[in-house]
Amino acid sequence: QKEVEQDPGPLSVPEGAIVSLNCTYSNSAFQYFMWYRQYSRKGPELLMYTYSSGNKEDGRFTAQVDKSSKYISLFIRDSQPSDSATYLCAMSRGSNYQLIWGAGTKLIIKP
Amino acid sequence: DAEITQSPRHKITETGRQVTLACHQTWNHNNMFWYRQDLGHGLRLIHYSYGVQDTNKGEVSDGYSVSRSNTEDLPLTLESAASSQTSVYFCASSESVAMGADTQYFGPGTRLTVL
Repeated sequence: QKEVEQDPGPLSVPEGAIVSLNCTYSNSAFQYFMWYRQYSRKGPELLMYTYSSGNKEDGRFTAQVDKSSKYISLFIRDSQPSDSATYLCAMSRGSNYQLIWGAGTKLIIKP
Repeated sequence: DAEITQSPRHKITETGRQVTLACHQTWNHNNMFWYRQDLGHGLRLIHYSYGVQDTNKGEVSDGYSVSRSNTEDLPLTLESAASSQTSVYFCASSESVAMGADTQYFGPGTRLTVL
């Protein structure tokens, strides 16, 4: 079993919909949780970074961490065609530990 | 602006040949990483370096090597290319942090095909 599980999709939704992307993990030592966005034929770029449990909001994006359930989510409100990309979750125990990556979910926003 | 570049962007080679992929960053970051990305596997760590002369094996290091002679560059060498090494390769860099997890900045990737 992988340390981080992420449904590869694709997930296709109409423009304006609320999108929910999720990852589950098995290692309770993870404390830092990240979401990266990767456009086609580009490198990943950091979208959201959270520490421990709770929510973090940045514009249309909300990252949520539930450490008791070992479950993290990324919500996108008012989704736009420009949000079409692959979203990868990543997590770490902290400095001097490697990032552990999910497989990525391909998201398609239909105009 | 600081950036991380990779070359070549596309490469086709034959089985058994030695191939070197270049990675150059102008962030002045201590940490550099090489990943490969394949469908269904996400990003898998090949090698990483925490500074000049420092190199470490990652999850899928067999058949690959790196060397770090300066801060800016971490070339990745495939000693004898195999078809299983057909993939997209990403280089990343990050600044060392005392607390928390480092934020990695990625290059644009190199698409390697081994025939």
